[in-house]
Amino acid sequence: ETGVTQSPTHLIKTRGQQVTLRCSSQSGHNTVSWYQQALGQGPQFIFQYYREEENGRGNFPPRFSGLQFPNYSSELNVNALELDDSALYLCASSLIGGEETQYFGPGTRLLVL
Amino acid sequence: SQKIEQNSEALNIQEGKTATLTCNYTNYSPAYLQWYRQDPGRGPVFLLLIRENEKEKRKERLKVTFDTTLKQSLFHITASQPADSATYLCALAGSGGYQKVTFGTGTKLQVIP
Repeated sequence: ETGVTQSPTHLIKTRGQQVTLRCSSQSGHNTVSWYQQALGQGPQFIFQYYREEENGRGNFPPRFSGLQFPNYSSELNVNALELDDSALYLCASSLIGGEETQYFGPGTRLLVL
Repeated sequence: SQKIEQNSEALNIQEGKTATLTCNYTNYSPAYLQWYRQDPGRGPVFLLLIRENEKEKRKERLKVTFDTTLKQSLFHITASQPADSATYLCALAGSGGYQKVTFGTGTKLQVIP
């Protein structure tokens, strides 16, 4: 186990709704990254937060947003859900300034109907 | 654009043999390369990291090579076991202020008893 937890484990939403996914980082880590993984694909980088600021972003629209809190837990918010947003959402915590290894949580499976 | 290619076809090998997985990349100058294991419905689990100035890295039954001239990494599992059956992801990261990690699509390994 990595010590990274995510909630909920599964979620069903309808198109146009909004969703918030949560992640609790591994103790001592100051960075969290979020990924979207469609079935049969590798994880796609959404964005990264370092010390509560967005520290890099992948090719995702602004309706994907995030937050990192002082205790280094994090949220991913997705507005105006589309069918293609159905995927496994992964968060990974790491330590900038330390080893580069990212430790992934178990993911949240989102289904948009 | 950056591209990471892993063999999308599943790799089936006999128990006890050495499994070799390939990761090729283009339009990328990674600072380091990582290999992850992912079981169905779970988050990726870090296995090995190799830096651009390293040729080979070993950990127990695992070996990774990194050829920045060929733009290729090979991942070997010796004395493979059915428990090694999983999808293996190659991931590249550049140097810089944030740890954007780009994943390949993964190769599914099946070790047959």
